[in-house]
Amino acid sequence: EVQLVESGGGLVQPGRSLRLSCAASGFTFDDYAMHWVRQAPGKGLEWVSGISWNSGSIGYADSVKGRFTISRDNAKNSLYLQMNSLRAEDTALYYCAKDMSLYGSGPHDYWGQGTLVTVSS
Amino acid sequence: EIVLTQSPGTLSLSPGERATLSCRASQSVSSSYLAWYQQKPGQAPRLLIYGASSRATGIPDRFSGSGSGTDFTLTISRLEPEDFAVYYCQQYGSSQYTFGQGTKLEIK
Repeated sequence: EVQLVESGGGLVQPGRSLRLSCAASGFTFDDYAMHWVRQAPGKGLEWVSGISWNSGSIGYADSVKGRFTISRDNAKNSLYLQMNSLRAEDTALYYCAKDMSLYGSGPHDYWGQGTLVTVSS
Repeated sequence: EIVLTQSPGTLSLSPGERATLSCRASQSVSSSYLAWYQQKPGQAPRLLIYGASSRATGIPDRFSGSGSGTDFTLTISRLEPEDFAVYYCQQYGSSQYTFGQGTKLEIK
């Protein structure tokens, strides 16, 4: 059974940093790209970032480019999101999501339950 | 960035009726890399359709997707009570994935 478990969320002041983690199990982690998707309270889904199976290809939404860094450790079956210079508008539930396509880029067939990030003074 | 616009914003229908949801892209979506998701309150999204028209594993055949280029449609042939939720389209054909703003399907 595929499982994605996010952690690392919490309350943080504007301008500070936070690192999210996603522990994956139930599939061959290093065969698939992975993504972060967020959802502000009461709002829609926003794709944040994605990373290919071998970290060779990385993409970011314009809203986080230059502030957030995605990474993965295939030996630990883990995905990360380093978030710097946080703003109030980064407040959201952050989901870790598995890419459906082997080696390629595709939609998200499995999602975690999310970790809540609240940016407030 | 490809902008996806979904319509209508809210759709009010009764169980047993047919639902048609639209997703329009600001530019052509490469290779029909268009997906649809369903999200219920307090739950993570669930993948319904990928490649514009392929059903994901375990998705009932009352859900179907169609379209290409810039215009895509999700159709639910006969609504079941559990289908009332928010639906999002997503394009994954560019290096920056994007979602539509969502369509809320509510019980009339």
